[in-house]
Amino acid sequence: DGGITQSPKYLFRKEGQNVTLSCEQNLNHDAMYWYRQDPGQGLRLIYYSQIVNDFQKGDIAEGYSVSREKKESFPLTVTSAQKNPTAFYLCASSILGSPLHFGNGTRLTVT
Amino acid sequence: SQQGEEDPQALSIQEGENATMNCSYKTSINNLQWYRQNSGRGLVHLILIRSNEREKHSGRLRVTLDTSKKSSSLLITASRAADTASYFCATASSGGSNYKLTFGKGTLLTVNP
Repeated sequence: DGGITQSPKYLFRKEGQNVTLSCEQNLNHDAMYWYRQDPGQGLRLIYYSQIVNDFQKGDIAEGYSVSREKKESFPLTVTSAQKNPTAFYLCASSILGSPLHFGNGTRLTVT
Repeated sequence: SQQGEEDPQALSIQEGENATMNCSYKTSINNLQWYRQNSGRGLVHLILIRSNEREKHSGRLRVTLDTSKKSSSLLITASRAADTASYFCATASSGGSNYKLTFGKGTLLTVNP
């Protein structure tokens, strides 16, 4: 079955540590996205990539970094510079211009 | 920045009733999409309406788009308990070669059996 896999589902880290969230897709989509969702809020775009080895900042990129070395993979690193990292992180992919397919998210808790 | 704003923030209805959710946005769009999210899960795409379309249907879903008022509505007819979820509108805009989808804060729909 084609889809997007985010791992792990739950992640706990101590403040000051960097953490990397995994996102893999086998849909052969060119575009991939990372969104952040806080309780009762919509989704805010962190980074997106429309092609391998290229990515653009979204609306809230500060404190995050990404890479796109392979078409299938778009990992997100939450760095210690992110002031409020506890959130639900959603990865998505799409054919450019078409609706997004989402993974089931990673809930990150930083204490 | 959040382009779309859904209204109401929360809606509670009885099974069998219709549910209407509204979305307003601020800038020009290529298309508007509606997504559904069950608690703790990812979003699922429901329907896409292009800027040159006024109405679209998919099963029990009906979406309208009024570009002059920069607004859209999602109607779910004959609701079921399984329709309980959050519903988000998302606007697609393109600046140059970049394609971005911007989401609103969502409407939490509760359908009571």
